[in-house]
Amino acid sequence: GAVVSQHPSRVICKSGTSVKIECRSLDFQATTMFWYRQFPKQSLMLMATSNEGSKATYEQGVEKDKFLINHASLTLSTLTVTSAHPEDSSFYICSARGVPEQYFGPGTRLTVT
Amino acid sequence: SQQGEEDPQALSIQEGENATMNCSYKTSINNLQWYRQNSGRGLVHLILIRSNEREKHSGRLRVTLDTSKKSSSLLITASRAADTASYFCAFMDTGRRALTFGSGTRLQVQP
Repeated sequence: GAVVSQHPSRVICKSGTSVKIECRSLDFQATTMFWYRQFPKQSLMLMATSNEGSKATYEQGVEKDKFLINHASLTLSTLTVTSAHPEDSSFYICSARGVPEQYFGPGTRLTVT
Repeated sequence: SQQGEEDPQALSIQEGENATMNCSYKTSINNLQWYRQNSGRGLVHLILIRSNEREKHSGRLRVTLDTSKKSSSLLITASRAADTASYFCAFMDTGRRALTFGSGTRLQVQP
């Protein structure tokens, strides 16, 4: 099956700093990628849809100025958490749209201290 | 988006027993999928059932879909300790491009 990678797998940052998470489709091109967030013992919630070459579409309640998404190529989307706060600590999972499935990355554990 | 509801929220069984989890949703869907997630890890795709299918099997997994009731069930037969994980249904709304996830069932299989 198709492979999606994420980097880093874990990151710890201080409050107020920014952190970038990369999502790559390794063996296929993805015009559309998705970013999900998962808090402990909860389900995955869609944050935004990333479209190659155009602006991302954010779900209601997700601050687009805080969670910057760039999908500059058909194999790479990045999520930058700006001015991170402890409440942004979560598991961030990206996904690339394939046929017939969405393929998921292994996730990035973000801890903001 | 309308998140799916799963029940039970948590399930504890003995090895060898069967485990059944249910998922309900509110929209029209193209397909419904089930995923497994071990604690703190990524998702593992288990099975996909299309909206025109009623039942599908894969190894020890059996999935049913009733679009009239907007519900699906996942049956794991002859469970093993290694099946301990959280299980999520996920569905593709006909009007959206991203998967929407159910609330999840935490399965504990006691050896």
